[in-house]
Amino acid sequence: GQQLNQSPQSMFIQEGEDVSMNCTSSSIFNTWLWYKQDPGEGPVLLIALYKAGELTSNGRLTAQFGITRKDSFLNISASIPSDVGIYFCAGMNYGGSQGNLIFGKGTKLSVKP
Amino acid sequence: NAGVTQTPKFQVLKTGQSMTLQCAQDMNHNSMYWYRQDPGMGLRLIYYSASEGTTDKGEVPNGYNVSRLNKREFSLRLESAAPSQTSVYFCASSGRQGATYGYTFGSGTRLTVV
Repeated sequence: GQQLNQSPQSMFIQEGEDVSMNCTSSSIFNTWLWYKQDPGEGPVLLIALYKAGELTSNGRLTAQFGITRKDSFLNISASIPSDVGIYFCAGMNYGGSQGNLIFGKGTKLSVKP
Repeated sequence: NAGVTQTPKFQVLKTGQSMTLQCAQDMNHNSMYWYRQDPGMGLRLIYYSASEGTTDKGEVPNGYNVSRLNKREFSLRLESAAPSQTSVYFCASSGRQGATYGYTFGSGTRLTVV
């Protein structure tokens, strides 16, 4: 089946630093989603990408849909303590009646004030 | 507030007991899902329902059953709980919101089987 490799597994950074994480897939997707999960909560959608090469920003977050359709990247600029959490990438082939999400295993981000 | 509501938030079961996890969404989404989350494993799909009246197995369906009661509600049942089913369970629904398509998750049910 389809698998997503998300890296790094964890990051420990200083407040103010930039963060980069990525996901690669063994097969292509037509949709990439990035989620953040705070402790004790469900994942919350950060950015959705629908077209190969697309670059989308949401505040300090920027995500890109890779040209090959097999990868995606998330960057966080000037990190702050509330960025702490687990970030998940998810790929999907949406179309027709429905598509199912395939999740990466997450990147756990810790930010030192 | 619009969203996905799960109950209960916490549950402890003894091995062999049964229980049903409830999920309801008020966003008029057609599709609903049940995931489990285990440390280092990400989110794994247990069952999903593409539309009212249909259900399908996901990646890890063994030991679970589901019911799509109506468009709003999708329940997950453990008939005979096992310690391996200790996990955090998330319900989600999906659909279009304007130009965005995405999944909305509930806040989870933390289940411990002893």
